[in-house]
Amino acid sequence: GAGVSQTPSNKVTEKGKYVELRCDPISGHTALYWYRQSLGQGPEFLIYFQGTGAADDSGLPNDRFFAVRPEGSVSTLKIQRTERGDSAVYLCASSWTSGETQYFGPGTRLLVL
Amino acid sequence: RKEVEQDPGPFNVPEGATVAFNCTYSNSASQSFFWYRQDCRKEPKLLMSVYSSGNEDGRFTAQLNRASQYISLLIRDSKLSDSATYLCVVYNQGGKLIFGQGTELSVKP
Repeated sequence: GAGVSQTPSNKVTEKGKYVELRCDPISGHTALYWYRQSLGQGPEFLIYFQGTGAADDSGLPNDRFFAVRPEGSVSTLKIQRTERGDSAVYLCASSWTSGETQYFGPGTRLLVL
Repeated sequence: RKEVEQDPGPFNVPEGATVAFNCTYSNSASQSFFWYRQDCRKEPKLLMSVYSSGNEDGRFTAQLNRASQYISLLIRDSKLSDSATYLCVVYNQGGKLIFGQGTELSVKP
């Protein structure tokens, strides 16, 4: 079956612009996670949804970052007023429910110039 | 101090070698433990879970020592295709995975 998909695969933007990153989880998975991976580092947790609600958003670095999952399936990570330090690979993962194996998408490579 | 720490490597080994990766974690309440594999410019993929009794999957053996808060991965008879970054991962209650920095392995002919 289809795995987790993310779009776009690459995004180049200018400092100060707004970006949206999309994640389509595996069908039927109720839990969805966003992570950010900088070069040479492991992924770092940003936010996790159980259904439509954000169960834990403690990893969001500041209020420029926001994520939604309005229908409990697709999620969008939104970054306002992008900064060069936001450049990273943004990974999405999903699982049947919290605590089950997480399956990762291919990521979106964001480059802020 | 990071919650999960690994030696970043790189580990450069010849084909057929045995290589061991170590990892320590700081949260004694951590519930589950994993090794993920990440190929260059790809997403992390679950390699194996780690149990207190130790577990084996073919050439791969994982060990957990809860008293020392230490996790290991042993790869026997290394193959060229084992070249990747190996991520030590801890799950704490609440959903999120905590990743180590990753250890890079390069297996040479």
